[in-house]
Amino acid sequence: QVTLKESGPVLVKPTETLTLTCTVSGFSLTNAIMGVSWIRQPPGKALEWLAHIFSNDEKSYSTSLKSRLTISKDTSKSQVVLTMTNMDPVDTATYYCARITEDCSSTNCYKRIDYWGQGTLVTVSS
Amino acid sequence: DIQMTQSPSSLSASVGDRVFITCRASQSINSYLNWYQQKPGKAPKLLIYAASGLQSGVPSRFSGSGSGTHFTLIINSLQPEDSATYYCQQSYSTLFTFGPGTKVEI
Repeated sequence: QVTLKESGPVLVKPTETLTLTCTVSGFSLTNAIMGVSWIRQPPGKALEWLAHIFSNDEKSYSTSLKSRLTISKDTSKSQVVLTMTNMDPVDTATYYCARITEDCSSTNCYKRIDYWGQGTLVTVSS
Repeated sequence: DIQMTQSPSSLSASVGDRVFITCRASQSINSYLNWYQQKPGKAPKLLIYAASGLQSGVPSRFSGSGSGTHFTLIINSLQPEDSATYYCQQSYSTLFTFGPGTKVEI
């Protein structure tokens, strides 16, 4: 059974750094066809992809947030960590971690986000 | 970055209706397009991958079509439990992007 669970502070102050941990089970972070994404959703708004990391340590970041984000993984703990610096009230959102699975045919490889954590609401306020 | 748009932003339909939701990409993304359903207070759920592949466990009334820049999610015989917000997402670029969502009310 695949599960992902986010953990971290529920409240951070402006200018502080947010650190979120995603603990996974039911699959391995060393699996060549899998990765983990972080996605956020401000209250009442749309989903926003933030970053992802794959088994080969390939990382990608949202262009608009790249300077503030760092993603890393600890395979021995089955954890993926996201840090976001210089938090602002506009960063108040539910933060989700999710599994990416890649399927390849003879010509193309398709990625999809097939399992999601329950999400954790992070509020930025002084 | 690849921008995704969806139309309509919201719709109201009746049980048994066929519903169409459109997603457009700012450049060609071949078939690298996924659809998700999100109900209030819940995490999104994958419905369709690679534009037309039905995710395991998803009812067959959901289907997807399209390639390039224009995609459609079709819900046949709308059910009360289909009331949700639907998002498209491209995976053509390593920098994923989501559409703004379409809220379906029944």
